[in-house]
Amino acid sequence: AQKITQTQPGMFVQEKEAVTLDCTYDTSDQSYGLFWYKQPSSGEMIFLIYQGSYDEQNATEGRYSLNFQKARKSANLVISASQLGDSAMYFCAMREGQDTNAGKSTFGDGTTLTVKP
Amino acid sequence: EAGVVQSPRYKIIEKKQPVAFWCNPISGHNTLYWYLQNLGQGPELLIRYENEEAVDDSQLPKDRFSAERLKGVDSTLKIQPAELGDSAVYLCASSPGLGTDTQYFGPGTRLTVL
Repeated sequence: AQKITQTQPGMFVQEKEAVTLDCTYDTSDQSYGLFWYKQPSSGEMIFLIYQGSYDEQNATEGRYSLNFQKARKSANLVISASQLGDSAMYFCAMREGQDTNAGKSTFGDGTTLTVKP
Repeated sequence: EAGVVQSPRYKIIEKKQPVAFWCNPISGHNTLYWYLQNLGQGPELLIRYENEEAVDDSQLPKDRFSAERLKGVDSTLKIQPAELGDSAVYLCASSPGLGTDTQYFGPGTRLTVL
């Protein structure tokens, strides 16, 4: 079974509007971490935001926020006030394991976001 | 602070030839990862090092792939012999290994096997 599912292969958003990229995960661990990365056409993966499974508040980093719904096993990325430079591939990833370095990270297949002027 | 450095950026070889990729992680990062990324897909872990020890190489095809991280700093990933299906981007990442495992990625090496 897929551990990370990103159901939106492609998304479009108008510049300056908000967009939500979906991510659901599957794990039996109680301790895990969820990450979002951005991969522009240049190819380099850029870390955006992190949410720990025990974090009670949703993570935020500037225009990025993570809508964490533990019971639903979802970790959606919200980008507010989209900019043209946000056009890229976005990957959701999960790290499993009690020790923060005990488990490897599993990545979803990504969502291509296109911001329209 | 310098990021993760990888070389070469691009490599074109014929099948059955050997190839090697090099990675220098961020200074002080104990954990180093090698990933394979096929077009339109997410990265798949090949091997993870904690210092010089390979702690997870379960996804590394050991019949043709090998890796080393001598002295726990830079690392080399080798394929011998290369096959057509090995065409992909090979990503290296590192993390501090000090209570956080946010991974920082290099630009990748795009391998084309003809």
